[in-house]
Amino acid sequence: DTGVSQDPRHKITKRGQNVTFRCDPISEHNRLYWYRQTLGQGPEFLTYFQNEAQLEKSRLLSDRFSAERPKGSFSTLEIQRTEQGDSAMYLCASSGDSSGANVLTFGAGSRLTVL
Amino acid sequence: SQQGEEDPQALSIQEGENATMNCSYKTSINNLQWYRQNSGRGLVHLILIRSNEREKHSGRLRVTLDTSKKSSSLLITASRAADTASYFCATARISSGSARQLTFGSGTQLTVLP
Repeated sequence: DTGVSQDPRHKITKRGQNVTFRCDPISEHNRLYWYRQTLGQGPEFLTYFQNEAQLEKSRLLSDRFSAERPKGSFSTLEIQRTEQGDSAMYLCASSGDSSGANVLTFGAGSRLTVL
Repeated sequence: SQQGEEDPQALSIQEGENATMNCSYKTSINNLQWYRQNSGRGLVHLILIRSNEREKHSGRLRVTLDTSKKSSSLLITASRAADTASYFCATARISSGSARQLTFGSGTQLTVLP
């Protein structure tokens, strides 16, 4: 297993277009997270899945954002009608430790630029 | 929203010196973790300290936790140029018996000059 994979690594789009990011977590991890990070800031929590169930969503996740994790494996994050304020790095992370400590393994991120 | 605040925001030191970064947080926690991020990349977990621990070591890293002051510090000893990165603290809140969500601070940008 090569860790958490994210695709695409970079996406440039025009305002109003839809974009979709994919995350492939570590295969044995049952928890998957999406975070957003803007320049000079720490990651901000967007949403969290345990297996295929979306258990928590941040208020940052507006109606234009939707995330899925069918079959509890890979996940997609879709942004509809993109706005310039959506420009950020979108980070996916997975976790599977049974201790409850929740150490996250991050992917390299998908950088979105909305023109 | 970000629970943790790192201090300083930026730190520049010479190779071989020690680097200390501080983190303050607001709510009760299950554990506190430190992550490192190289420019334009994902975050990498460095070390975790549980709420009932006061100090932890891992190689050149030393973490302290003071739950009464809601603060933590990360010490990197004998720094190297390769330690140049952003460092984030992340807190895991007590929630339904399992710390499901990590809340990150705003980070300290460490530059180690050769």
